[in-house]
Amino acid sequence: ILNVEQSPQSLHVQEGDSTNFTCSFPSSNFYALHWYRWETAKSPEALFVMTLNGDEKKKGRISATLNTKEGYSYLYIKGSQPEDSATYLCASFGAGSYQLTFGKGTKLSVIP
Amino acid sequence: GAGVSQTPSNKVTEKGKYVELRCDPISGHTALYWYRQSLGQGPEFLIYFQGTGAADDSGLPNDRFFAVRPEGSVSTLKIQRTERGDSAMYLCASSASGRTGELFFGEGSRLTVL
Repeated sequence: ILNVEQSPQSLHVQEGDSTNFTCSFPSSNFYALHWYRWETAKSPEALFVMTLNGDEKKKGRISATLNTKEGYSYLYIKGSQPEDSATYLCASFGAGSYQLTFGKGTKLSVIP
Repeated sequence: GAGVSQTPSNKVTEKGKYVELRCDPISGHTALYWYRQSLGQGPEFLIYFQGTGAADDSGLPNDRFFAVRPEGSVSTLKIQRTERGDSAMYLCASSASGRTGELFFGEGSRLTVL
């Protein structure tokens, strides 16, 4: 079982601020890294799936980077809006495994 | 709708009772996952199906938990002799394309064992 860690556990930012979170995972036997957004009373929704070292992906104001050699991924939100308030989960597949292991998430609250 | 559907959305039961939770994945998705999420924790892997077979059931906590997917579509998670510690959100997800494809989650079944 992989150990996927996320920091910070929670975060409060003002509307308009930019922010970022960290996900760390074992760099050995890495296969894929997923990011999900989970809003209260909804289902988790995929943001990005990344597999290659140096991958950078962007969706609107949200972007992510991947470093498989050192075992971390960053998620960036530019100009945070109240609708960005959610828990952001990262998850990793190890090579040869179909267990997608999740971190505990970063809970983001954007204050209007 | 075309998303993953889970029923019931909420289930309250008494300790010792039997519970079934149902997941209806997106049509055509061969991969199906069950996860359990407790307060303050990330989703915890329970079982993975590829088609009709359980390809990895190593996350099932004990023999009170069992899951089936007889026709490669709908899956049922079965919990016998429920305990208070089984109280959690049970999430189902399906995927079309293995480990590099995104998972599509249902809204979950909230189980409360009194």
